[in-house]
Amino acid sequence: ETGVTQSPTHLIKTRGQQVTLRCSSQSGHNTVSWYQQALGQGPQFIFQYYREEENGRGNFPPRFSGLQFPNYSSELNVNALELDDSALYLCASSFRQGESPLHFGNGTRLTVT
Amino acid sequence: QKEVEQNSGPLSVPEGAIASLNCTYSDRGSQSFFWYRQYSGKSPELIMSIYSNGDKEDGRFTAQLNKASQYVSLLIRDSQPSDSATYLCAARYYQKVTFGTGTKLQVIP
Repeated sequence: ETGVTQSPTHLIKTRGQQVTLRCSSQSGHNTVSWYQQALGQGPQFIFQYYREEENGRGNFPPRFSGLQFPNYSSELNVNALELDDSALYLCASSFRQGESPLHFGNGTRLTVT
Repeated sequence: QKEVEQNSGPLSVPEGAIASLNCTYSDRGSQSFFWYRQYSGKSPELIMSIYSNGDKEDGRFTAQLNKASQYVSLLIRDSQPSDSATYLCAARYYQKVTFGTGTKLQVIP
């Protein structure tokens, strides 16, 4: 069974730039969720994708956007980066139905300078 | 604002003792509950899932759920130094899983 994989592991960007983070879901899972975790905080829900469509969104501005592909992999795009976007970005896959828990990838550490 | 609340700690226990971690949630519609362990600089790792009132045991871990009180807990028996980590409580309401800020556990050898 292949787990959730994310790339890159670390990234440094400059304020105002754009970034794309990638995620491959665990085999058999059809739903991908993205979370932002600032230092000392719990993960904050950004959005979820199911069947290539956004299926729920947290309190994040439109400059955070995403895609899901037919193979259930996903991208998180952030435009016009701000210093406060510096965080650990976590991708998690799950089954949409029922009470399925989230299974996280290793995360991407984004630093905005 | 739907919230999950935890004491941030740190909670210090001696090796071999029982560690008790607690969590409350505000959304009565929450359907399932999870405990994750997160080592510093790493991603969260699922420890336990619990869906109905009562206790659920898995090895040294016991999760307890009381929906009437909107309360979830995690007991770790025979605590080991390797259990030292931040423990995140989470509640699922349909597609959204909400996390607490985590409780830092320190197991003292």
